[in-house]
Amino acid sequence: DTGVSQNPRHKITKRGQNVTFRCDPISEHNRLYWYRQTLGQGPEFLTYFQNEAQLEKSRLLSDRFSAERPKGSFSTLEIQRTEQGDSAMYLCASSAGGAGGNTIYFGEGSWLTVV
Amino acid sequence: GDSVTQMEGPVTLSEEAFLTINCTYTATGYPSLFWYVQYPGEGLQLLLKATKADDKGSNKGFEATYRKETTSFHLEKGSVQVSDSAVYFCALNYGGSQGNLIFGKGTKLSVKP
Repeated sequence: DTGVSQNPRHKITKRGQNVTFRCDPISEHNRLYWYRQTLGQGPEFLTYFQNEAQLEKSRLLSDRFSAERPKGSFSTLEIQRTEQGDSAMYLCASSAGGAGGNTIYFGEGSWLTVV
Repeated sequence: GDSVTQMEGPVTLSEEAFLTINCTYTATGYPSLFWYVQYPGEGLQLLLKATKADDKGSNKGFEATYRKETTSFHLEKGSVQVSDSAVYFCALNYGGSQGNLIFGKGTKLSVKP
């Protein structure tokens, strides 16, 4: 049984560089979510897709952030002109539909360190 | 807005002790409630869930009951093990167009042999 897969697992980048993370959800899951987690805090919602449509974006998702899910399968999260405050773990998750109680499954996360 | 509040950690217990981690929520509707666990260096794993009032979620010896009257979803385990050491997150969601989870800040549990 394949879970949610994220890569790279760790990324160190210099301030001002662009980074891209990839997420492969559980197959047949039509919903895909991105969250951000900083040390000592719970995950914070960034955005989610139903199939290829991006349905909601958090205010946390500044103009430097862009997410895509072009064919309704894998998704990418790109951060342009990275800042030190972007250092965090970026979590991807997926679920089958959005009815309350449908389990959201998380990947192992992609750690970003901006130096 | 909706929110989740968890007891402050860290919580340190001896093996076989009884565990309670308090979680209360504020919600405008009738959410589903979840406990997720995060082991060191890993992503989140669903531990248990409850979708309506008075439901009890249970898994791996952990239990939590959805209490609408007290807006609570406290996590309990009768006898903890060293392997239970992790960070525990309480969360809620509604599904539909609001399917994203709202998390508490997490409670770190350390179990000593």
